[in-house]
Amino acid sequence: GDSVTQMEGPVTLSEEAFLTINCTYTATGYPSLFWYVQYPGEGLQLLLKATKADDKGSNKGFEATYRKETTSFHLEKGSVQVSDSAVYFCALQYSGGGADGLTFGKGTHLIIQP
Amino acid sequence: EPEVTQTPSHQVTQMGQEVILRCVPISNHLYFYWYRQILGQKVEFLVSFYNNEISEKSEIFDDQFSVERPDGSNFTLKIRSTKLEDSAMYFCASSVGRSLEQFFGPGTRLTVL
Repeated sequence: GDSVTQMEGPVTLSEEAFLTINCTYTATGYPSLFWYVQYPGEGLQLLLKATKADDKGSNKGFEATYRKETTSFHLEKGSVQVSDSAVYFCALQYSGGGADGLTFGKGTHLIIQP
Repeated sequence: EPEVTQTPSHQVTQMGQEVILRCVPISNHLYFYWYRQILGQKVEFLVSFYNNEISEKSEIFDDQFSVERPDGSNFTLKIRSTKLEDSAMYFCASSVGRSLEQFFGPGTRLTVL
């Protein structure tokens, strides 16, 4: 079945460092890909998405490119802030009449130190 | 800004007891979902609900689970006879339409003793 694999955390970085959180997926079709973020005490929020190969999703300085050849959707940010500390989830979903549910990775806990 | 709310934030119950987890989806949304996350594991899809019936369910969603929209605002997940392995964080979500962005609540942590 479909699955999403993320790098294990926690990931600890200093403020202004470059961030990469790896995400790879296994899917039988052509899913949409997502990054969700969960801040302490809050629900999962959609951070960015990409719906087809070579699409780049971006939001709040974060970017991720849908790479079909490597089945990857790595999350990057050029300069992280303390406020970026959160848990980040990579996920996939089939659109256009496919399955309703999102398939998530385990989540990566990101800690940014001042 | 509209948001999905869930109550309670933490529920402790004895094995074999019934629990009901409550969610209030965003008011103009039509699709509703439940997910769970066992500690240290992935967030897993349980069930989706549309037009007062289950749209899709995973293999996790067995006969011990049921969902209901008892009125115009609440969406509930009932676990009939809880087991230790039901201990998890349960997330509710809603969306305007199928395959559109899902908005998540903060979760209910269920602890089964």
